[in-house]
Amino acid sequence: QQPVQSPQAVILREGEDAVINCSSSKALYSVHWYRQKHGEAPVFLMILLKGGEQKGHEKISASFNEKKQQSSLYLTASQLSYSGTYFCGTASDMDSNYQLIWGAGTKLIIKP
Amino acid sequence: NAGVTQTPKFQVLKTGQSMTLQCAQDMNHEYMSWYRQDPGMGLRLIHYSVGAGITDQGEVPNGYNVSRSTTEDFPLRLLSAAPSQTSVYFCASRGLAKNIQYFGAGTRLSVL
Repeated sequence: QQPVQSPQAVILREGEDAVINCSSSKALYSVHWYRQKHGEAPVFLMILLKGGEQKGHEKISASFNEKKQQSSLYLTASQLSYSGTYFCGTASDMDSNYQLIWGAGTKLIIKP
Repeated sequence: NAGVTQTPKFQVLKTGQSMTLQCAQDMNHEYMSWYRQDPGMGLRLIHYSVGAGITDQGEVPNGYNVSRSTTEDFPLRLLSAAPSQTSVYFCASRGLAKNIQYFGAGTRLSVL
């Protein structure tokens, strides 16, 4: 079952914050976040494992709510370089880490 | 640092033609996979391999074959191209220790 990402698209001004959600109807073991710029390959951002661990990298962080089977990606004080499409990939157990199920993506546009 | 190399970048085929998309990685990764990306659908797993000589089907394997004779190479064969196979194809690799997928630059395929 494909995870549902919301919103589908968001337009922000530089410096504004954004939240991207990834929800699954199945129990999750891990959530993987990637960013893809137009015409390029997806690039890894972070992984969250079951346990509600929050991770962060500079102004991008994420959380994993095990009870809701939902992960949220937080982009703080967005920069022009944050533009792109954000994908979450989910695994329901450790074995299926090899076979992620991907959301349809959230397109983020940052305007100066 | 080459990483994951895909060739060709672009390809146009006629219905019924066959072709092979090439993928090579120089990171000595055990795990390799092929995805297709269609608008609004995110990434869908076609086939994957956990090591030389071992391959398995993903979510959408019909019409595609793979083989893994070496750790480095993982070609994807389209047996008889159909317009429904028009898509962008990504090859990815990851090591067993770190759960980070590295993607190639993609192959944009059009089947007329």
